Amino acid sequence: EIVLTQSPGTLSLSPGERATLSCRASQSVSSSYLAWYQQKPGQAPRLLIYDASSRATGIPDRFSGSGSGTDFTLTITRLEPEDFAVYYCQQYGTSPLFTFGPGTKVDIK
Amino acid sequence: EVQLVQSGAEVKKPGESLKISCKGSGYSFTTYWIGWVRQMPGKGLEWMGIIYPYDSDTRYSPSFQGQVTISVDKSISAAYLQWSSLKASDTAMYYCARPSAGGFSKPLAYWGQGTLVTVSS
Repeated sequence: EIVLTQSPGTLSLSPGERATLSCRASQSVSSSYLAWYQQKPGQAPRLLIYDASSRATGIPDRFSGSGSGTDFTLTITRLEPEDFAVYYCQQYGTSPLFTFGPGTKVDIK
Repeated sequence: EVQLVQSGAEVKKPGESLKISCKGSGYSFTTYWIGWVRQMPGKGLEWMGIIYPYDSDTRYSPSFQGQVTISVDKSISAAYLQWSSLKASDTAMYYCARPSAGGFSKPLAYWGQGTLVTVSS
């Protein structure tokens, strides 16, 4: 079973700042099958990034993903007010357990 | 437009059974896997399992195997998550979600609105 660890647990930043979120896997993620999701209170998660670095449809280019193997990063270049949320990484390369990380909360400083 | 519409909130007692639904529209229902994700109050996302409506091929997370049953009714484009005997620890929001494209190892691009299940005596 692949275990995903996200850091930091909480990131306190101001609008306009850069956010860097980390996701580390306990073993290599097959074919970089790693996604990032954003979840706001009371809403379903939204897919941001898939295959480690591809933006999903309609996602602004201030969101970018990188990494391979066991280390992955989500970067938000300039935080907008609507970006304050919880972010989850997920690996979908190892059936049947498509594990999620515990999440990173990005809140307003 | 792809839509997943889930059934409404449920309040149940421990030991009761429950079946919640997720109806897909705007796409060929039988040719895309549908997964279920649990979110306990104030907690993160947990992958439960996934089903392929075409032939009902179902894969469960080991944590949920034997605890829930995932099924489909192709005739009405609905997927289901079922419990035979609920526990208080089943209290959570449950989401159905569809991968972005055909195939098994795909990210979840489309999500239902969630069904809140509350189990309390």
